[in-house]
Amino acid sequence: EIVLTQSPATLSLSPGERATLSCRASQSISTNLVWYQQKPGQAPRLLIYDASNRATGIPARFSGSGSGTDFTLTISSLEPEDFSVYYCQQRGTWPLTFGGGTKVEIK
Amino acid sequence: EVQLLESGGGLVQPGGSLRLSCAASGFTFSSYAMSWVRQAPGKGLEWVSAISASGNKYYPDSMKGRFTISRDNSKNTLYLQVNSLRVEDTAVYYCTRLSLIAVAAMDYWGQGTLVTVSS
Repeated sequence: EIVLTQSPATLSLSPGERATLSCRASQSISTNLVWYQQKPGQAPRLLIYDASNRATGIPARFSGSGSGTDFTLTISSLEPEDFSVYYCQQRGTWPLTFGGGTKVEIK
Repeated sequence: EVQLLESGGGLVQPGGSLRLSCAASGFTFSSYAMSWVRQAPGKGLEWVSAISASGNKYYPDSMKGRFTISRDNSKNTLYLQVNSLRVEDTAVYYCTRLSLIAVAAMDYWGQGTLVTVSS
């Protein structure tokens, strides 16, 4: 099973700041990495697939990068609605696995 | 518009069983793989099971034996049968559609159904 480790667990930032979230895989997953956003009381929403491709309707301030074992989700300038929890997921190997999440909170 | 509507959750005693349903609409259900993901209160996401468009089933080792995924393409409905429920199965269970572009990426999610296992 591929283990995904997300860091930091919590990121405290102000609106307008840049957010950098990390996801590290226990073995290489090429670019088979997906990012989701979850707001309180809501279902997760697909943000990025295949490490760097934005899903339909996702603003350009969200970007993903990385390959192999190290991946990054960047939010270039935080909007109020971006303060949420973010999860990564690998889709390269069964079983599918998720990271533990990073909470982006208002500083 | 893609919609996934889960039902069947509720309060169940330990050792009991439950069948969750997910009614899909707004897309050609039979063409897509589908999945269940759960989230315990205040915790992260955990993949439970997936079923391909052709009916192949996938489970993590931790879910094998007690969880059974199935689908009825004539009813556009996904199911999850859970037996021998444990307190630790308490969670919101989400139905998800798996993307055709990026296989096993979950491009649509339902709002979830809460399963509470307690005596």
